[in-house]
Amino acid sequence: DAGVIQSPRHEVTEMGQEVTLRCKPISGHDYLFWYRQTMMRGLELLIYFNNNVPIDDSGMPEDRFSAKMPNASFSTLKIQPSEPRDSAVYFCASGLRTALHFGNGTRLTVT
Amino acid sequence: AQSVTQLGSHVSVSEGALVLLRCNYSSSVPPYLFWYVQYPNQGLQLLLKYTTGATLVKGINGFEAEFKKSETSFHLTKPSAHMSDAAEYFCAVSEGAGNNRKLIWGLGTSLAVNP
Repeated sequence: DAGVIQSPRHEVTEMGQEVTLRCKPISGHDYLFWYRQTMMRGLELLIYFNNNVPIDDSGMPEDRFSAKMPNASFSTLKIQPSEPRDSAVYFCASGLRTALHFGNGTRLTVT
Repeated sequence: AQSVTQLGSHVSVSEGALVLLRCNYSSSVPPYLFWYVQYPNQGLQLLLKYTTGATLVKGINGFEAEFKKSETSFHLTKPSAHMSDAAEYFCAVSEGAGNNRKLIWGLGTSLAVNP
């Protein structure tokens, strides 16, 4: 079991650029979550999917953020255009029942 | 609405001493409760969870937590701290009902272990 795989591990981009974060969940897990972690706000749930269908996207900050899950083995989180305040660590997590398994995150820096 | 409060954003103990990290929650329904640990530059890892049944829950790395409904608490303990326990610890609660898997997270407690 390779765990939840996120790419890239680090992303540095300039304000206004499009950023795409990728996640491969653990095979067989039917829930997938995108979180953002910052020192100021802690861990924030952005969106989560069940069986590839978005269930709750109320945490998505604004229209610049979008997430897709085209199949059970892949999800993306896109920010377009990116802003400096989007700098954070973004985590993907997958789960089957009650426990979540987190990836190692993508550290995004927007300059 | 559900909420989680972790008392003490920073806790420091000596190696071999008791570890006690406090978590209080509020929930209008029977909660599912979780403790996760985060090591530097890594994602969160499940330490233990309470869903139903026995209120004293044992987890990995010698940690345990007790669900006390009357006190709305789910404190995390370990009898003897090890240097490798230094990390950030997060308490979380969910309604655990139906397809709702949304977790409400505490702000975390940073544990330092001194030699």
